[in-house]
Amino acid sequence: QKEVEQDPGPLSVPEGAIVSLNCTYSNSAFQYFMWYRQYSRKGPELLMYTYSSGNKEDGRFTAQVDKSSKYISLFIRDSQPSDSATYLCALSDVVSNFGNEKLTFGTGTRLTIIP
Amino acid sequence: EPEVTQTPSHQVTQMGQEVILRCVPISNHLYFYWYRQILGQKVEFLVSFYNNEISEKSEIFDDQFSVERPDGSNFTLKIRSTKLEDSAMYFCASRRGRGISPLHFGNGTRLTVT
Repeated sequence: QKEVEQDPGPLSVPEGAIVSLNCTYSNSAFQYFMWYRQYSRKGPELLMYTYSSGNKEDGRFTAQVDKSSKYISLFIRDSQPSDSATYLCALSDVVSNFGNEKLTFGTGTRLTIIP
Repeated sequence: EPEVTQTPSHQVTQMGQEVILRCVPISNHLYFYWYRQILGQKVEFLVSFYNNEISEKSEIFDDQFSVERPDGSNFTLKIRSTKLEDSAMYFCASRRGRGISPLHFGNGTRLTVT
């Protein structure tokens, strides 16, 4: 079983729709969860991060973590064409005093918002 | 907003040649990283660097790879003898400090080995 699984899509939704993006993971040591957005030929751009179960909201974006199910989600409300990108979940199993954490990425979900 | 900058944006090299990829991390960041992304595949961790030494490296980061922080601003990745399979996007990232501070990535260098 892969450490982090993410549906690669592609996913196309009409403008204004609510988008749900998901990742599952197998390693219960993961304790730090991030969502990155990556436009074509650009670096990953951090959207949200959290380290606890529950919901975290930032504008139109909500990150949800369920550690008991090893399942994380990103919701996008009122989706816009500018949200069209690849969305990557990234997980870390170490938050050490020396900052050696490395991120384990999902494959990314390619999202297109249709005007 | 401060950002991580990488140069060049695209590097083409012949197999067996040495390449140096350059990065300028965000100025008050202390932890530095290289990741790579082969076309169509996941972003993969290569190496982390703190206090002028490697703190962790992946299996990918073999003896052909090295990193250096030659001065107070630059962070470089050297590949001594490139192979075809080294063709990928290479991303530099930096982080401010200990504990929960997220990684900020540059826009990457596309390395093409012919």
